[in-house]
Amino acid sequence: DVKVTQSSRYLVKRTGEKVFLECVQDMDHENMFWYRQDPGLGLRLIYFSYDVKMKEKGDIPEGYSVSREKKERFSLILESASTNQTSMYLCASRQFFGPGTRLTVL
Amino acid sequence: QQQVKQSPQSLIVQKGGISIINCAYENTAFDYFPWYQQFPGKGPALLIAIRPDVSEKKEGRFTISFNKSAKQFSLHIMDSQPGDSATYFCAASINSGYSTLTFGKGTMLLVSP
Repeated sequence: DVKVTQSSRYLVKRTGEKVFLECVQDMDHENMFWYRQDPGLGLRLIYFSYDVKMKEKGDIPEGYSVSREKKERFSLILESASTNQTSMYLCASRQFFGPGTRLTVL
Repeated sequence: QQQVKQSPQSLIVQKGGISIINCAYENTAFDYFPWYQQFPGKGPALLIAIRPDVSEKKEGRFTISFNKSAKQFSLHIMDSQPGDSATYFCAASINSGYSTLTFGKGTMLLVSP
């Protein structure tokens, strides 16, 4: 069965903190994606990766970076969290989504 | 430019009725069209998907109808149940779903008992 896990369901951080969101898949997929979901704006693509150590910017990459050191793990990094990054963050492996991380930045 | 337009934004259907959600796309390179179901606080779950070589796909109470010439596809939920109350997203991608997904804005479905 398909399994995409995200490190945290809920996270509260302070402005300026560095934040790591982890995503792991067990399906040996090359393609992994990070989206954020906000009311009224739908799902927006932040970054994606088609292979280890490979990354591509999505529609809204500003303020984010990613890391793909191993095929099964794709990390999203907020270098200096800001309040406008409060959102639901969704990782996907191909077309399969994880449960999401609700991030609040105070 | 929104490449996938979804309607309606919200929908109320009585238990046992048929729920219909529509999507239209612009990019003729799209070749994979999934529908997702999302409950509050959860990630989207892949419900059913279709490729443009067929006009209809059915899985249980869920059916996708696809009209390639009109660049439209729709989700039909037969015998709608209160447990179907959720937000539904259509999406489209190229490369048979291996590439990035372009999503519609979502439809909030409420099935009244």
